[in-house]
Amino acid sequence: EVQLQQSGAELGKPGTSVKLSCKVSGYNIRNTYMHWVNQRPGKGLEWIGRIDPANGNTIYAEKFKSKATLTADTSSNTAYMQLSQLKSDDTAIYFCAMSLTYWGQGVMVTVSS
Amino acid sequence: DVVLTQTPPTLSATIGQSVSISCRSSQSLLHSNGNTYLHWLLQRPGQSPQLLIYLVSRLESGVPNRFSGSGSGTDFTLKISGVEAEDLGVYYCVQGTHALWTFGGGTKLELK
Repeated sequence: EVQLQQSGAELGKPGTSVKLSCKVSGYNIRNTYMHWVNQRPGKGLEWIGRIDPANGNTIYAEKFKSKATLTADTSSNTAYMQLSQLKSDDTAIYFCAMSLTYWGQGVMVTVSS
Repeated sequence: DVVLTQTPPTLSATIGQSVSISCRSSQSLLHSNGNTYLHWLLQRPGQSPQLLIYLVSRLESGVPNRFSGSGSGTDFTLKISGVEAEDLGVYYCVQGTHALWTFGGGTKLELK
């Protein structure tokens, strides 16, 4: 059974960074893209970007190019997303997803001083 | 960038009623390989999104056949033939034809 397990909720201060993880079991992430999606409170889904863990190639939505950095560790079958220069507007639930079929449970990131 | 416009934003239905949701794209979603990467998700309250329909009309494994998808090019429709209580939540169309995923704004299905 394929499962995506995300790290726990984060509370970050404005201007700082957080790094989220998404550990995959039941499937080798080398064989797929790993996507990240956010959802601001009460809002819809927004695609952030994706990484090809086999070679590290990334594509980002324009608005996240200077906000998010996607990496992956194939030895631990884990994808990561670092969010930098946090602002209150970054407060959201962040999901990792493998294709559209498998999703992590989501992690709440709250930015507050 | 591709923009997906979903209508209506909110849908009120009774149990057993059939409903449809529209998703219109600002560009054709027909890929050069002949596939159309338009899919439908359901997000129930407090849960992660769930894939219902992929490649316009293909039912994801385990999804009830009261869900169906149709369309081509820029116009797509999700139909629920006989709403059940477990169908309540927000429906999203999403495209993957143009490298970057794009989500529609969502349609909230509520009980009337």
